[in-house]
Amino acid sequence: EIVLTQSPATLSLSPGERATLSCRASQSVSSYLAWYQQKPGQAPRLLIYDASNRATGIPVRFSGSGSGTDFTLTISSLEPEDFAVYYCQHRSDWPRTWTFGRGTKVEIK
Amino acid sequence: QVQLVESGGGVVQPGRSLRLSCEASGFIFSSYGMRWVRQAPGKGLEWVAAIWYDETNKYYADSVKGRFTISRDNSKNTLFLQMNSLRAEDTAVYYCARDRYQKYFDYWGQGIMVTVSS
Repeated sequence: EIVLTQSPATLSLSPGERATLSCRASQSVSSYLAWYQQKPGQAPRLLIYDASNRATGIPVRFSGSGSGTDFTLTISSLEPEDFAVYYCQHRSDWPRTWTFGRGTKVEIK
Repeated sequence: QVQLVESGGGVVQPGRSLRLSCEASGFIFSSYGMRWVRQAPGKGLEWVAAIWYDETNKYYADSVKGRFTISRDNSKNTLFLQMNSLRAEDTAVYYCARDRYQKYFDYWGQGIMVTVSS
């Protein structure tokens, strides 16, 4: 079973700064990786799929990169509404399971 | 616009059953796979179950296999999660989510709380 490890657990930044979040897979997942944003009391929201494709309505300041085992979510300039928890996610073929990382919290410094 | 609305949550004793529903609107429900994902208080996201658009395939997390059953009624645009033999560790917010490309979750409901406690 593929394990997704996210780092850091917490990222303390100021508005306007660049955020770089990491997700590492225990084995290659090709480019089949997604990123979600979750704010307190809200459902998650799909940001990025297939490692680098922005979902509908997602601002261009969010970008994803990587393939194989190492992936990055970058927020080019943090807006106040971007402070949230971010999860990476992958679907394994065998067994057929959907796995999330443990999340990275982006908090206001 | 796509809307997913969960219902059926609440407080239940260990060992008892509960049935969650998720009513969908704003898209052709019968054309999409659907998923259940849960989140224990203060914890991360955990996928629970998946069902194909035509019910030909169903998958479950090991933590719920044999106790939970996912199903759907395409005539009523509704997804279900039958939860039996509930345990304290099943306490969580349960989200229904729409499938994208059989890999991801592109729309989510607002979530419904299930508390298993005596």
